[in-house]
Amino acid sequence: QKEVEQNSGPLSVPEGAIASLNCTYSDRGSQSFFWYRQYSGKSPELIMSIYSNGDKEDGRFTAQLNKASQYVSLLIRDSQPSDSATYLCAPRGGTGNQFYFGTGTSLTVIP
Amino acid sequence: DAGITQSPRHKVTETGTPVTLRCHQTENHRYMYWYRQDPGHGLRLIHYSYGVKDTDKGEVSDGYSVSRSKTEDFLLTLESATSSQTSVYFCAISEPTGAGNTIYFGEGSWLTVV
Repeated sequence: QKEVEQNSGPLSVPEGAIASLNCTYSDRGSQSFFWYRQYSGKSPELIMSIYSNGDKEDGRFTAQLNKASQYVSLLIRDSQPSDSATYLCAPRGGTGNQFYFGTGTSLTVIP
Repeated sequence: DAGITQSPRHKVTETGTPVTLRCHQTENHRYMYWYRQDPGHGLRLIHYSYGVKDTDKGEVSDGYSVSRSKTEDFLLTLESATSSQTSVYFCAISEPTGAGNTIYFGEGSWLTVV
């Protein structure tokens, strides 16, 4: 069974701070990794993806990937109250078309 | 917007009755998925389809069946609903992007079995 573990949270940060979300995965065949944001009562929406080791930046978001350690993270800089949501980590399996999700980390940004 | 429509969006049904959830997509995506989401378990794959009449089981397929007779429609059926199937059900599609295939979700169907 392919497992995805995320820090359980809930995570609270003050407005303007950096929020750090972590994820480890068991499937060494995973090649691409996705972060989704899910507001309460809504469907998950894609924030960003990463498939090469290192950092990838997109606006206030930075994804970090270390395949050797089977670790992926998401940093949110200058956190805003609108970032308050649950963040889901999703590796894409080695077959290329199956996606596995962690249970998510709940983030609250305090004004 | 990945052009995914789920119906019904909300449903209350009685234990033992059959229930069918419909996922409709307008952009000719080959891969379609059904997930359920429950507190403490996250999103779990029920079934997926890789083409018309081509489907396969996910990690929580017991009690569910699917059908895909047209590219645009992927149906999830609970043959005899149980209270343990009370959940939020998300349909999803995958499409090629710069990171390979990427998955996008519909708005969800909230099902309560009483």
